[in-house]
Amino acid sequence: DGGITQSPKYLFRKEGQNVTLSCEQNLNHDAMYWYRQDPGQGLRLIYYSQIVNDFQKGDIAEGYSVSREKKESFPLTVTSAQKNPTAFYLCASSNSGGRAGEQFFGPGTRLTVL
Amino acid sequence: AQSVSQHNHHVILSEAASLELGCNYSYGGTVNLFWYVQYPGQHLQLLLKYFSGDPLVKGIKGFEAEFIKSKFSFNLRKPSVQWSDTAEYFCAVRSYNQGGKLIFGQGTELSVKP
Repeated sequence: DGGITQSPKYLFRKEGQNVTLSCEQNLNHDAMYWYRQDPGQGLRLIYYSQIVNDFQKGDIAEGYSVSREKKESFPLTVTSAQKNPTAFYLCASSNSGGRAGEQFFGPGTRLTVL
Repeated sequence: AQSVSQHNHHVILSEAASLELGCNYSYGGTVNLFWYVQYPGQHLQLLLKYFSGDPLVKGIKGFEAEFIKSKFSFNLRKPSVQWSDTAEYFCAVRSYNQGGKLIFGQGTELSVKP
């Protein structure tokens, strides 16, 4: 089955620890995205990557980091600098160029900081 | 500030009632428009999209949306809702003036009473 997988589904972290969320896609999409979803705020873009070895900051990049070493993988690290990391994190991918724009989403990772 | 605005945070309807969820955006230039739905415990998935052509767009599960350029609106409609339509609905806009990023509204939670 083609799609996007995120792991783990639930993640608990102690304050001051970094944690990495996994996102893998087998859709052969060039572009990948990380969003944060909070109640009443919709989805806010953290980072995005339109091609391997390149990525750009989104609207709320502070306290997060990413890498894009492979086309199918776009891991997100939530660092200890992120002041309010408890949230639901969604990864997405899309084709780039042309009529691109439709994004396909993974099932999400719910991060809780204890 | 440029944004995507969904008018209702929570809508409660009885089965068979008609639905209209408002979405307005403030970006100029060429836009692509989307409605996504998030059923309880499921992935965010695409309901419908508008790129060009007929401004009345039909999507899955009997949903439709109308793009009114002069009003910067893309309202979602369904003539008769079912209990299974209970979900959170997100409007999203891809503005070429904003580097092609997808900007989401705050979301509208729809509860349909059987």
